[in-house]
Amino acid sequence: DADVTQTPRNRITKTGKRIMLECSQTKGHDRMYWYRQDPGLGLRLIYYSFDVKDINKGEISDGYSVSRQAQAKFSLSLESAIPNQTALYFCATSERTSGRSTDTQYFGPGTRLTVL
Amino acid sequence: SQKIEQNSEALNIQEGKTATLTCNYTNYSPAYLQWYRQDPGRGPVFLLLIRENEKEKRKERLKVTFDTTLKQSLFHITASQPADSATYLCALLYNQGGKLIFGQGTELSVKP
Repeated sequence: DADVTQTPRNRITKTGKRIMLECSQTKGHDRMYWYRQDPGLGLRLIYYSFDVKDINKGEISDGYSVSRQAQAKFSLSLESAIPNQTALYFCATSERTSGRSTDTQYFGPGTRLTVL
Repeated sequence: SQKIEQNSEALNIQEGKTATLTCNYTNYSPAYLQWYRQDPGRGPVFLLLIRENEKEKRKERLKVTFDTTLKQSLFHITASQPADSATYLCALLYNQGGKLIFGQGTELSVKP
């Protein structure tokens, strides 16, 4: 079974709709992240969470919100979807170590979101 | 802000040759530099990590170098195979914030 899962894998929605993307992990990691990937732009960080009570904005948080329901679950919401939020969305996890963390990240399979 | 640049043009090479991918960054050097592989429609997969005080790291057919003077990392795949065809991403971790910053990736195509 995959260590990091994302649901749904594909979603087509209309402008103005509220959308939630979910991420679950069985790796036992404290840190979780949401990225979006667009052609030619690489991965850009939307939000990240270093533990259940810690939520931080990333590079492109406008138009998005997140919820860390448990150590293993991190959801991304688009309150009112717009077409330029059409992208591939990835959830990732990393382990917090007692020493200097290398922050190696483990990615989910991605959610392809299309906003019409 | 930090910028990372990877070759935007796809790299096409013949099977058996060495593929070399470049990652350049601006401003100050990161604590770590990582390389990931991404196949179409899949999430990136971690390959190698090199620390700021290391010049070279190897893993099987992979080799990564890190030159803090040139602000550049090179990623080599020796004896390349068609199965190595993928997009390769470099990512930098700076001490503050603990967040990775990713390059846009370079697509590698190895022809038989």
